[in-house]
Amino acid sequence: AQSVTQLGSHVSVSEGALVLLRCNYSSSVPPYLFWYVQYPNQGLQLLLKYTTGATLVKGINGFEAEFKKSETSFHLTKPSAHMSDAAEYFCAVSDDNTGNQFYFGTGTSLTVIP
Amino acid sequence: NAGVTQTPKFQVLKTGQSMTLQCAQDMNHNSMYWYRQDPGMGLRLIYYSASEGTTDKGEVPNGYNVSRLNKREFSLRLESAAPSQTSVYFCASSEAIGSYEQYFGPGTRLTVT
Repeated sequence: AQSVTQLGSHVSVSEGALVLLRCNYSSSVPPYLFWYVQYPNQGLQLLLKYTTGATLVKGINGFEAEFKKSETSFHLTKPSAHMSDAAEYFCAVSDDNTGNQFYFGTGTSLTVIP
Repeated sequence: NAGVTQTPKFQVLKTGQSMTLQCAQDMNHNSMYWYRQDPGMGLRLIYYSASEGTTDKGEVPNGYNVSRLNKREFSLRLESAAPSQTSVYFCASSEAIGSYEQYFGPGTRLTVT
């Protein structure tokens, strides 16, 4: 069965500092990996996704993530945090065996300190 | 282009009452989904519809029913609401299954007293 683990339910960084949000997955076949962001009282928006090809994926708002098969990881990074990055971030996995189903992590709440 | 819309935005029910959450998408997507979001638990799939005319159970289907009314609309029904169903409900759609990203609606905040 597929699963997603997000280490750290709360992460705080200073404005301008590196953002690193961790995601590890389990999948028996090549995965499709996604990062979503949720702002307060809103739905989820796609930040970036990995399906095939280049393992370093760039998304919106300066975020990027690298698929590392050997580590079964898909960590999300941003070189310099902005106040507007404060939100909840969710990692998700699917694959051709899950068919229609996404499996979401429990989320990481990012706080940016001025 | 409104994307995915959900009604209502908020709802308070008493235990045992029934209600239907409505969802519609205008992106001509084939697949639609219903999730619930609870603190510390992420999003859990309730039901999904891979294509018009089909529905399947997800991770937490008990206490819910769904209808894929047409390609645009996918409704979620609570026949007899319970306090454990207090949650935020999200509808999503995607072009197809597998590698395609899902697009989410704004959510319905449901409280069952």
